[in-house]
Amino acid sequence: EVQLLESGGGLVQPGGSLRLSCAASGFTFNNYGMSWVRQAPGKGPEWIAGISGSGGNTYYGDSMGGRFTISRDNSKDTLYLQVRSLRADDTAVYYCAKETQAVGGTRDYWGQGTLVTVSS
Amino acid sequence: EFVLTQSPGTLSLSPGERATLSCRASQSVRINSLAWYQQKRGQAPRLLIFGASSRATGIPDRFSGSGSGTDFTLTISRLEPEDFAVYYCQQYGTGVTFGQGTRLEIK
Repeated sequence: EVQLLESGGGLVQPGGSLRLSCAASGFTFNNYGMSWVRQAPGKGPEWIAGISGSGGNTYYGDSMGGRFTISRDNSKDTLYLQVRSLRADDTAVYYCAKETQAVGGTRDYWGQGTLVTVSS
Repeated sequence: EFVLTQSPGTLSLSPGERATLSCRASQSVRINSLAWYQQKRGQAPRLLIFGASSRATGIPDRFSGSGSGTDFTLTISRLEPEDFAVYYCQQYGTGVTFGQGTRLEIK
């Protein structure tokens, strides 16, 4: 059974940084691209970034502004998202998701999400 | 900027009825790279349809997708109680963009 378990969310002050983690199990991790998607309260999902199975290629959403870095450690079956210079509008549930096929396509498995709240 | 506009914002129907949800793109979706997701309260989205009309693994055949170019439709032929949720379309032909969602509620 595919499982994705995010961690690292919480309350962060504006201007702060955060690293989110996603532990994967139930599939051959390095065979699949992975993505981070976030969802602000009452809004639709927003794709942040994706990474190829090897980790050699990364892709970012147009509106992400260079404050996000996606990475992975295939020896630990873990996906990461580093977020810098956090703002109030970064408040959202952050999901990691397994790409169905190519990175930037569709996502067939999602974690339960981790809530990031940016507030002073 | 690629924009997906879903309509209606809220759809009120009864179990057993047919639901028709619309997704209109601001420009043509390349190679019909259009997906639909279902999201229930407190849960992550669930992939229903990809490639505009192909059902994902385990999705019941009462769910069907159609359309091409800029106009796409998700149809649920006979609503079951578990189908009442929020539905999002997503294009992946030019970057990745999600719509704002259609809430399907019990009438």
